[in-house]
Amino acid sequence: ELKVEQNPLFLSMQEGKNYTIYCNYSTTSDRLYWYRQDPGKSLESLFVLLSNGAVKQEGRLMASLDTKARLSTLHITAAVHDLSATYFCAVHTSGSRLTFGEGTQLTVNP
Amino acid sequence: SQTIHQWPATLVQPVGSPLSLECTVEGTSNPNLYWYRQAAGRGLQLLFYSIGIDQISSEVPQNLSASRPQDRQFILSSKKLLLSDSGFYLCAWNNLANSPLHFGNGTRLTVT
Repeated sequence: ELKVEQNPLFLSMQEGKNYTIYCNYSTTSDRLYWYRQDPGKSLESLFVLLSNGAVKQEGRLMASLDTKARLSTLHITAAVHDLSATYFCAVHTSGSRLTFGEGTQLTVNP
Repeated sequence: SQTIHQWPATLVQPVGSPLSLECTVEGTSNPNLYWYRQAAGRGLQLLFYSIGIDQISSEVPQNLSASRPQDRQFILSSKKLLLSDSGFYLCAWNNLANSPLHFGNGTRLTVT
């Protein structure tokens, strides 16, 4: 059974600082996704990572994938308050299924 | 462009009552459709997914069921709700192998 672990689960950081969220998964997969969820809202797709070494960047967020290490990272650069949300990684398993991590609740403080 | 509609947005139901949540997708054909549940402060649990009409896979044994009466319509049902059925239910779709899931706005269900 595929396990997807994110850490940290809770992250409080100051504006302007950098930090990295980690997503480890237990079995081989070739696709990984990052999502953002604002409180009380649905999930919004951020990144799709489809190959080993893939790197995607959007604004202050950058995601990477190392399929050999079964690890993805979401790096936050110079955080701003608007980035406060819960971030999920999701790993493709067989068929069309995704297994989600537990989420990282990020709070960016002024 | 493609859109996904999910309703109702919130629902309060007593234990033992039936449930019907509906999801429709517009602007695409033969989508893969999914029902996820999110408990408070937790990750998402896949409940059902469907790759076509009358092709539905159940991921977790429970008192819920799903049906797909039309290509772009996905319904989540229960005959008798339990307290443990409370949560945030999310419908999602995609139609390419590598494409991300696109989520509806969700239904917040409280079973009392």
